[in-house]
Amino acid sequence: DAGVIQSPRHEVTEMGQEVTLRCKPISGHNSLFWYRQTMMRGLELLIYFNNNVPIDDSGMPEDRFSAKMPNASFSTLKIQPSEPRDSAVYFCASSIRQGSAGELFFGEGSRLTVL
Amino acid sequence: GQQVMQIPQYQHVQEGEDFTTYCNSSTTLSNIQWYKQRPGGHPVFLIQLVKSGEVKKQKRLTFQFGEAKKNSSLHITATQTTDVGTYFCAGRIDTNAGKSTFGDGTTLTVKP
Repeated sequence: DAGVIQSPRHEVTEMGQEVTLRCKPISGHNSLFWYRQTMMRGLELLIYFNNNVPIDDSGMPEDRFSAKMPNASFSTLKIQPSEPRDSAVYFCASSIRQGSAGELFFGEGSRLTVL
Repeated sequence: GQQVMQIPQYQHVQEGEDFTTYCNSSTTLSNIQWYKQRPGGHPVFLIQLVKSGEVKKQKRLTFQFGEAKKNSSLHITATQTTDVGTYFCAGRIDTNAGKSTFGDGTTLTVKP
């Protein structure tokens, strides 16, 4: 059974460019989470969805960040315009149960470098 | 907001020594989860604790949830080089609509 699939695995871009990260959760999972990991700030929850509906986006840094989940099998995290401080590993995770009642299955992450 | 503190931040041990990481919450938790992240990898779920005072074991790993459900620990007996990585706790409170807060993690290195 395939796990959570993220793309791209690595992205290098220049400041000001738009970045789109993609995630395919595990089939049948009801919740999807976007995390950002940096050395300075650790693992930060950016936003999570239950049944494709955004429940809590209080972790989204600012208006430059947006996330969508148009259907149960696909989500995107977009940064426009990107800045060097956005450089991080972005993880998508899914869970079969609502919120964090069940274990989180993480994707392998998208490593973003903004020059 | 909810805070989950984890100590120590780093731990270096000789292979065969024991290792413990501690997790403390400012608020009572409904559950706590533990994850392991290998260098360059992604967090992988280890276990979930729900009940006050709960103790669970996985081979050389022992997980505890405090009586007040505000703290937890992970203990590894006789560490091996395969135990290397960062161990995270993630705490969830009932009023937080299903959102867990991750601690900063404890990074374990094991010298063979």
